[in-house]
Order: sequence, then C-alpha cells, then structure tokens
Amino acid sequence: NAGVTQTPKFQVLKTGQSMTLQCAQDMNHEYMSWYRQDPGMGLRLIHYSVGAGITDQGEVPNGYNVSRSTTEDFPLRLLSAAPSQTSVYFCASSYEGNTEAFFGQGTRLTVV
Amino acid sequence: RKEVEQDPGPFNVPEGATVAFNCTYSNSASQSFFWYRQDCRKEPKLLMSVYSSGNEDGRFTAQLNRASQYISLLIRDSKLSDSATYLCVVTPLKSNYQLIWGAGTKLIIKP
Repeated sequence: NAGVTQTPKFQVLKTGQSMTLQCAQDMNHEYMSWYRQDPGMGLRLIHYSVGAGITDQGEVPNGYNVSRSTTEDFPLRLLSAAPSQTSVYFCASSYEGNTEAFFGQGTRLTVV
Repeated sequence: RKEVEQDPGPFNVPEGATVAFNCTYSNSASQSFFWYRQDCRKEPKLLMSVYSSGNEDGRFTAQLNRASQYISLLIRDSKLSDSATYLCVVTPLKSNYQLIWGAGTKLIIKP
C-alpha cells in the first residue's frame, strides 16, 4: 500500500515555464487536495476535489490548474511559473474533507 | 487576525521534561480539531484528533477549550524523537472540505 505518491521531489523552473506535479493515491479516497507551504505560514489550500470530475478552488488558486479524471490521480499544473510560486507543494487525500489527511512526500519547487 | 494562530517557537526543552503549547482559532463555530506533526523537510502526519472531552495517547494529551477558543497539546517525559514542528488544524463548520492550518510550533528536545 503506497498511500499518496507525489512526483517530482525537486524541480527548478525558469520564469514562464509550465509543468505538472503528479499525485496519485491508492486508498480509494474521494477527497484530494493540493497545498503550498511557505516559511512562517500554514499550509494554504490551492485546489481540492471531492471526487472524480469535481474540482474547486481553495485559498490561493491563481496560476494553478487541476483536473480529476480518476479517483486515483489529481495532477497540479503550473501554467506559467513565477518566482512567487517558489514553495513546497503537498498533495493530500482523505476519506472525507475533515478527516485524517494523508500527504505525499512533497515537491520542492524553485522558480528562477 | 489569522484564523489559526500558534507560537512559532522554538521551544527548547530538556529531555524528560513536560512541554505544552496552545493554538488559538478565530471561528467560534469551528467543528473539528487536530494536531499534526511535521519533521524537518517531511510531510505532515496526524498526531491526534482533539475531542471536546479531550484526548490522551500515551505521553500526549490534547485538550479543547471552546469558551476561550484554543486547543492545547501536552507532551510528558519528552524524548529526543519528539523534536518536530507541531501543526494545529481546524475545520470551520461552514466547509467540510477545507482544513485551516496553523503555521506550526517548533519543538527542540535537548539531551
């Protein structure tokens, strides 16, 4: 049982480049979410999904897109990277939105 | 005012000591409360849920004070392995899908 698998672990992008962070879970959780974590701040919700085909914006959605074509996968796309998107990104899944969240190992993204 | 506030620390505590820290929340209608632990450069992991009646798990005790709108975490007989950042998490009643995270309290246990 792998839990939540998130790739890549590290990434450096140039300003304006696009990329996709991958997230997959094998726990059959309906709820999945993407967070970013910056120094001195709590995890901030970017986008979330309550099931396949359903996504919604969180607190800081600008510059990011998501899709949920299957229960297992929830990729996060950076459309045109900016230095302000330098952060650590975590994908999480849970049985329900307010139950225990299981996290991927995180992606350390640097935009130069 | 932040929705969830924590003292960032660090709390430097000798091994074997008892340490406690609090987390305050602004939404009086908040429904669910949790403590997560995050090791350096790792993902957060659930430490324990916080119930109205309190919750104890071994050396860890969590309490909820709705009147004053804070939750607490007490660690007894602290171990070197307890060194981590402890994140407070709250779920507002109006949304079941969004966890509100505190920035965390850093704990360093010294031998």
